[in-house]
Amino acid sequence: NAGVTQTPKFQVLKTGQSMTLQCAQDMNHNSMYWYRQDPGMGLRLIYYSASEGTTDKGEVPNGYNVSRLNKREFSLRLESAAPSQTSVYFCASSGQGNQPQHFGNGTRLSIL
Amino acid sequence: AQSVTQLDSQVPVFEEAPVELRCNYSSSVSVYLFWYVQYPNQGLQLLLKYLSGSTLVKGINGFEAEFNKSQTSFHLRKPSVHISDTAEYFCAVSSSGTYKYIFGTGTRLKVLA
Repeated sequence: NAGVTQTPKFQVLKTGQSMTLQCAQDMNHNSMYWYRQDPGMGLRLIYYSASEGTTDKGEVPNGYNVSRLNKREFSLRLESAAPSQTSVYFCASSGQGNQPQHFGNGTRLSIL
Repeated sequence: AQSVTQLDSQVPVFEEAPVELRCNYSSSVSVYLFWYVQYPNQGLQLLLKYLSGSTLVKGINGFEAEFNKSQTSFHLRKPSVHISDTAEYFCAVSSSGTYKYIFGTGTRLKVLA
C-alpha cells in the first residue's frame, strides 16, 4: 500500500541548475498538490491540480512549473534553482469532496 | 479569504498530563477541518477530520477535537500524553467549492518525562 511516493528523497543543487521532483499516487485520487515547508511557516501551496488535465497556481508559484502527466503523476520543476528555494517539498493527493489529503514523505532540497 | 491560526508555536507538557493545542480559522463559507501530525523526517499523517455531523470528533492515538462554529475554533485535545506524542501538529481548513487546503504554521508538542 504505497500511497503517495516522492522521488528523490534528498537533492543538492547549485544555483541555476534545473531539476524535476516526481510524485505518484496509487489511490485513484483526482486532486494533487505541491507544498513547500519552511521553519515557522507551515505548509505553503505551490501548485495544485484539481483533476487530470488542469493545474492552478497556489500561494507561492514563482520559480516553479508543474505537469499533471496523468491521473497518477504530478511533477514539480525548478527551471533555474535559487537558494530561496531550499526547502522540504511535499506532494499530496485527495479524493473528491474535500476529503483529507494524503502526503508523501517529502523531498529535502538544498540549493547552494 | 480563508486563514488558520495556531497561536502556540511550542507546547511543552509532562508525560501523562492533558494537552490542548489551539486552532482558530476564518472563513465565510462552510468549512472542513483537519488535524495532521508530523514526526521528524516524515510526511503529514491525518489525526482526525471534521466534515459534518457531530462537533466532537475522535481521531487516532487518543486525540479528539471539537468544532466550535461560534468561536471559529477546532482545538485538539488529549487527556493523557505519551513521550511518543512528541511531534509537530498542523491544523488545516478547506471550504466547499474549493480544492485548496490552508495550513496553520504548526505547533511543536514536546512531551517531557
